[in-house]
Amino acid sequence: GENVEQHPSTLSVQEGDSAVIKCTYSDSASNYFPWYKQELGKGPQLIIDIRSNVGEKKDQRIAVTLNKTAKHFSLHITETQPEDSAVYFCAASYNNNDMRFGAGTRLTVKP
Amino acid sequence: DGGITQSPKYLFRKEGQNVTLSCEQNLNHDAMYWYRQDPGQGLRLIYYSQIVNDFQKGDIAEGYSVSREKKESFPLTVTSAQKNPTAFYLCASSQGWGRETQYFGPGTRLLVL
Repeated sequence: GENVEQHPSTLSVQEGDSAVIKCTYSDSASNYFPWYKQELGKGPQLIIDIRSNVGEKKDQRIAVTLNKTAKHFSLHITETQPEDSAVYFCAASYNNNDMRFGAGTRLTVKP
Repeated sequence: DGGITQSPKYLFRKEGQNVTLSCEQNLNHDAMYWYRQDPGQGLRLIYYSQIVNDFQKGDIAEGYSVSREKKESFPLTVTSAQKNPTAFYLCASSQGWGRETQYFGPGTRLLVL
């Protein structure tokens, strides 16, 4: 089955700097890669996703890149703000049959 | 106001007791899921249901049971056989099987007295 590894486990940046979180996956058949943001005591919220036929996707300050050959994908947050502080999860799945989540990255944005 | 609701927000279980966590969605989604989240770990799949009256075990189904009698409801029972039930439980749904985006509820935190 699919295995997803996420790095780093914690990340601290200064407000205004960029943050990058990386994930690798094992199953080359995986074709859908969502990213979720989870605030304390709440459920994860989808922030961006990418499918295997696309190499990059952007939504304002958030972007995701996918390298299918290397089997890794990354989340990029630019101009970070204190409200970006949360735990971020990556996931990988093959047509939803086997959605696997990374262990999460706790991002802290210092004002 | 569409979405996924879970109740209660906090739940306390006594030794040997079964407890049931509620999950309701009004998104008209066919598929529903239950995940367990432990501190510092990712989400682990307990059970999932592709359609009404059907459900399948996930990676950590032992000590749990579910039912899917209605499209909008997917309750999870934590039985006394689950020896380490303390965790944050998350319910999710997706439009259909193969439509991948899963949307999560706010979660239920289960604590053992």
